[in-house]
Amino acid sequence: NAGVTQTPKFQVLKTGQSMTLQCAQDMNHEYMSWYRQDPGMGLRLIHYSVGAGITDQGEVPNGYNVSRSTTEDFPLRLLSAAPSQTSVYFCASSRGAGRSDTEAFFGQGTRLTVV
Amino acid sequence: QQQVKQSPQSLIVQKGGISIINCAYENTAFDYFPWYQQFPGKGPALLIAIRPDVSEKKEGRFTISFNKSAKQFSLHIMDSQPGDSATYFCAAGNDYKLSFGAGTTVTVRA
Repeated sequence: NAGVTQTPKFQVLKTGQSMTLQCAQDMNHEYMSWYRQDPGMGLRLIHYSVGAGITDQGEVPNGYNVSRSTTEDFPLRLLSAAPSQTSVYFCASSRGAGRSDTEAFFGQGTRLTVV
Repeated sequence: QQQVKQSPQSLIVQKGGISIINCAYENTAFDYFPWYQQFPGKGPALLIAIRPDVSEKKEGRFTISFNKSAKQFSLHIMDSQPGDSATYFCAAGNDYKLSFGAGTTVTVRA
């Protein structure tokens, strides 16, 4: 059982480049989200989706786009990479369905460096 | 502005000792308080969680204490083991969203 799969695991980008971080889950979860993890900041919510075709902004959405065309996939796009976007990115999924007390399953993370 | 404040940033404990991590929140709409454990190079994983209608929950060596009136909750790790060395995040949730604390790095010395 794969759970939440993120690709790539590591990426180096030049300032101004664009790229897509991939996230896929095989648990048929409704709710998916993207977080970034920075030292001393914990995990901050970037964007989230409560189902296919529905997305919304989290705490730190600027510079990122998302879409949810299927239940399984939730890619995160960096439009024009900036050094401030150097971080570790985590994708998570949960059953959601209007309940907050459902376990969030996290992927292994993507370590992104923007030079 | 972080909605969940966590302390300490790091702690060192001897094997067999007790680790205590504290968190505080302001938003009374939060109705779910999980703790996540993260090992280096891995994603966070749920350790234990509590709802605000109970004051304490214990699972093995891990206990959450919850004080609704003070809007505080804490994680106690009893009989700490070297394998408990990790970063611990408290979180608070409502609807679909979780707000995380800044994390505490726990080092257990053998």
